[in-house]
Amino acid sequence: EAQVTQNPRYLITVTGKKLTVTCSQNMNHEYMSWYRQDPGLGLRQIYYSMNVEVTDKGDVPEGYKVSRKEKRNFPLILESPSPNQTSLYFCASSPGRAGELFFGEGSRLTVL
Amino acid sequence: AQSVTQPDIHITVSEGASLELRCNYSYGATPYLFWYVQSPGQGLQLLLKYFSGDTLVQGIKGFEAEFKRSQSSFNLRKPSVHWSDAAEYFCAVDGNKLVFGAGTILRVKS
Repeated sequence: EAQVTQNPRYLITVTGKKLTVTCSQNMNHEYMSWYRQDPGLGLRQIYYSMNVEVTDKGDVPEGYKVSRKEKRNFPLILESPSPNQTSLYFCASSPGRAGELFFGEGSRLTVL
Repeated sequence: AQSVTQPDIHITVSEGASLELRCNYSYGATPYLFWYVQSPGQGLQLLLKYFSGDTLVQGIKGFEAEFKRSQSSFNLRKPSVHWSDAAEYFCAVDGNKLVFGAGTILRVKS
């Protein structure tokens, strides 16, 4: 089954404790992206990757890092989480930049 | 800079009634246009997309949308709403980058 898998789905952590949200897709897609969803703001792009070893900042990259060492994986790293990073995070992939996005089920992160 | 506006935060319709969700965009040319649906606790799923050609596009689950260049709009419609259509709907516009609207929450009353 074609899918984008994120882990963990839910996480409560404390300020400053590094965490990684993993994302993996099995569709051989070139393009992958991370979004955060906050009420009333829709989805805002954090980082995206056009291909392996190619990543770029989206609209709200501060406080986040990503890497794309393999085509299928695109982890999101919060080096020192802060409460304003409490949000619902989505990973998505696409065959190309302007193509249909396939979304994971989301990771709800709470930073205390 | 491009932008997308969904003027309605919440919409409530009766089951069986027709539905129209509004989407307006700002961009210097004709962008790619999308509608996504998000059911509670789920990721987003593509309903339909417009790249070029026929301005009335059909999507999944009985939805359609019409691109109107003169109004910079891409409104989503469904002739008869089902209770399972209750969800949040996002319009997205891709000119030089993909931008999502803030979403419209659809409630369906029986």
